[in-house]
Amino acid sequence: KNEVEQSPQNLTAQEGEFITINCSYSVGISALHWLQQHPGGGIVSLFMLSSGKKKHGRLIATINIQEKHSSLHITASHPRDSAVYICAVSKGGNTDKLIFGTGTRLQVFP
Amino acid sequence: EAGVVQSPRYKIIEKKQPVAFWCNPISGHNTLYWYLQNLGQGPELLIRYENEEAVDDSQLPKDRFSAERLKGVDSTLKIQPAELGDSAVYLCASSLDGRQETQYFGPGTRLLVL
Repeated sequence: KNEVEQSPQNLTAQEGEFITINCSYSVGISALHWLQQHPGGGIVSLFMLSSGKKKHGRLIATINIQEKHSSLHITASHPRDSAVYICAVSKGGNTDKLIFGTGTRLQVFP
Repeated sequence: EAGVVQSPRYKIIEKKQPVAFWCNPISGHNTLYWYLQNLGQGPELLIRYENEEAVDDSQLPKDRFSAERLKGVDSTLKIQPAELGDSAVYLCASSLDGRQETQYFGPGTRLLVL
């Protein structure tokens, strides 16, 4: 079993819809990251959080440490949001070695 | 400010040939990572450098893979000889230091071994 699980694996939406991507993990962590990967390979860090909630534009990330679960929400989705969204966790200590989920492929249609 | 630079962006080689990838991290970033990403999978760490020291290379297949970061700045990852199963995207990332800092990824090198 992977230490980081994401759901769904694939997601399609109509422009304007509210989108939720989920991430569950089974290890102790110091931080959780949400990353965005567009076709062609480039990965962009969206959020790094260890508690509560963060918001950036139309993106919101939440984490529940007790339940070992995080969600990434996209409000008013747009076709340019189409990408793979990856959840990754840092196991802590003196390193930020990341353990990655397999990603959620999102397609937003106009 | 320039991001993480990788070259080449694409490489096609025949099996048993050598191949090398180059990465220039963001200026001032002490920690550099090489990841391998197979299609439909998340990245997997190959090696992590703190300055010029490889502090985690436990996942690097040392029989055919090697890496160096001689001056603690740019880095090269080499495969010799390449195998069909090495076809993947090789990602380089950097962070300010190794402690819970955001990692910044390069565009990756897409390798196809024929």
